[in-house]
Amino acid sequence: DGGITQSPKYLFRKEGQNVTLSCEQNLNHDAMYWYRQDPGQGLRLIYYSQIVNDFQKGDIAEGYSVSREKKESFPLTVTSAQKNPTAFYLCASSIEVYNEQFFGPGTRLTVL
Amino acid sequence: KNEVEQSPQNLTAQEGEFITINCSYSVGISALHWLQQHPGGGIVSLFMLSSGKKKHGRLIATINIQEKHSSLHITASHPRDSAVYICAARRGGTSYGKLTFGQGTILTVHP
Repeated sequence: DGGITQSPKYLFRKEGQNVTLSCEQNLNHDAMYWYRQDPGQGLRLIYYSQIVNDFQKGDIAEGYSVSREKKESFPLTVTSAQKNPTAFYLCASSIEVYNEQFFGPGTRLTVL
Repeated sequence: KNEVEQSPQNLTAQEGEFITINCSYSVGISALHWLQQHPGGGIVSLFMLSSGKKKHGRLIATINIQEKHSSLHITASHPRDSAVYICAARRGGTSYGKLTFGQGTILTVHP
C-alpha cells in the first residue's frame, strides 16, 4: 500500500534535548512538507522540499532543521532552540510542489 | 484577521441533520481544499476545487470565487462524520501553491 508514515505517534522529550521526527513516503512524490498544529490554530508550514537535496524554510522555521537526502525521507529535527516545541507535527507529500498534498498520521511531541 | 476564516468553530448536530461549514478567504487562490481530521490526528483530503461544486457520497463542496467563499455540506449526517473539518486556500500570485489553513471546525454528531 502506498502512503506516508510518521513515527513515532507519541514522543516525549526533556527540555533542552534535540529530537528527530521521521517521515517516509512510498508514493514516489517529489515534494514533502512539515506542518505544526497547535490547538485552535490552523496548520503552519515549518519547512518544505521540492526535490531531493533541496529544502526551503516555511513560515515558522526557527528552531527546526530538516534534510532531504533520499526522495522517500524527510526527517524533521526539533532543536533546543525551539521555544515551544510541544505540538502535533504533520508531514505531507505531493507529486510536485504545487499539487494536492497527502498527509501522514502525525506525531504528537510533548516536551517535559 | 486570519486570511482563511471558518465558521462555526464548533458544531453539534443530531444524526440525520444537514450540516453546513463555511470558509471565507481574503487572499488570491488557485484552488481551495477541504480536509477531514479524525480524533487520532491523521488528515484526509476530501475535495480540491477551483470553481463550482463537487460531490462525493453525502459530502458536497461549493465555491464562489467572486465572493471568496466556500461551503462544505454533509447530508444525512452520521456519528462517524464527527471530526475536525479544515479548509485550506491554495495561494495564487507570488505565493503560488502555498497552503493557508483555516483553524478548523469541530463537528460532533450525536446518535
